[in-house]
Amino acid sequence: QQQVKQSPQSLIVQKGGISIINCAYENTAFDYFPWYQQFPGKGPALLIAIRPDVSEKKEGRFTISFNKSAKQFSLHIMDSQPGDSATYFCAASGAGNMLTFGGGTRLMVKP
Amino acid sequence: ETGVTQSPTHLIKTRGQQVTLRCSSQSGHNTVSWYQQALGQGPQFIFQYYREEENGRGNFPPRFSGLQFPNYSSELNVNALELDDSALYLCASSLDDTQYFGPGTRLTVL
Repeated sequence: QQQVKQSPQSLIVQKGGISIINCAYENTAFDYFPWYQQFPGKGPALLIAIRPDVSEKKEGRFTISFNKSAKQFSLHIMDSQPGDSATYFCAASGAGNMLTFGGGTRLMVKP
Repeated sequence: ETGVTQSPTHLIKTRGQQVTLRCSSQSGHNTVSWYQQALGQGPQFIFQYYREEENGRGNFPPRFSGLQFPNYSSELNVNALELDDSALYLCASSLDDTQYFGPGTRLTVL
């Protein structure tokens, strides 16, 4: 079954803290795992993506950790800022690049 | 900005009507995908077009159809609209793995 489960549904973090969002997938044919950020009234924007041949990828304050055996991956946002307040989606795809999205996490960073 | 545009921004239709949504992809992107995003949920894959041919389809009925044109534009057509079709419709263009999303069209079916 092509499903991606995301948690938590909502998250409140203090400014400067670490935001952690987790995702789990079932389809072992998935080989591309992006994270998207979406602000109200906007389309999703790619933040960072990873392939299963590496266990971690870091871009600025954003890090993806990937556990292939557990079929889980997570997004860490270091030094979270109020401007990071948005909805975050994990996604996965295999051949053909047809994305299956998680349900989303609404992040609020308090000043 | 992703360079992907969609029109119209908002649309209100009544049940049973037909609707056409439009997308203009980034120049050179030969693949366009359409997604439906219900309020408070993640986007769901509708279908994908590659070089003007349907390349894959999600779990949506045949009344959802599409077209892709040589000028990097595309359409999503929905016939016999139902109340549950109310959602944000997103198109995304790509050349490789990265999909660039447009701002979406908010469709309301009354």
